[in-house]
Amino acid sequence: QKEVEQDPGPLSVPEGAIVSLNCTYSNSAFQYFMWYRQYSRKGPELLMYTYSSGNKEDGRFTAQVDKSSKYISLFIRDSQPSDSATYLCAMSAGNYGQNFVFGPGTRLSVLP
Amino acid sequence: GAVVSQHPSWVICKSGTSVKIECRSLDFQATTMFWYRQFPKQSLMLMATSNEGSKATYEQGVEKDKFLINHASLTLSTLTVTSAHPEDSSFYICSAHPGARSEKLFFGSGTQLSVL
Repeated sequence: QKEVEQDPGPLSVPEGAIVSLNCTYSNSAFQYFMWYRQYSRKGPELLMYTYSSGNKEDGRFTAQVDKSSKYISLFIRDSQPSDSATYLCAMSAGNYGQNFVFGPGTRLSVLP
Repeated sequence: GAVVSQHPSWVICKSGTSVKIECRSLDFQATTMFWYRQFPKQSLMLMATSNEGSKATYEQGVEKDKFLINHASLTLSTLTVTSAHPEDSSFYICSAHPGARSEKLFFGSGTQLSVL
């Protein structure tokens, strides 16, 4: 079993749709959970950062962490063509950046 | 937000030459920086961890004599690909950790290396 699993997609949705992206993990020591957006041939950009379980909202983006199920989600409301990118989940047990684990990424296309 | 600058964005070089890639944290001090390699449609592959003032720690299978890492200051790390060959062609990305302030990683914009 991989430490972090993420559906690689590709996922295509029409503009305005609600997008749900998910990751599951196996290491119960993870405490910090992040979502990054990566455009083609660019570095990942931090979208959401969550510590422990709970929800966090930032504009059209909502991140959810369920540590009991070892499951994290990113929701994108009113999706736009500019949201078309690869979304990487990442998690860490907390060691100053050491031992970050990234999901393989989900490629999302939002069609106008 | 924290900004990490990476240069150059892309470089083309001849086989056998060396290429240096710079990674700078512009508005914070980074005690630890990381270097990754990414192949098309694949996730990030950690190559090495760079700590300011000490030798880098390389992941298994990464040749330390080919990929030289220097972290001479709290805001600058460099990756030098020595005697580059076509199989070294890839997208290289750095990230920086701001230390005790948070557990966030901030990434540079990446460097596309093409070795002819």
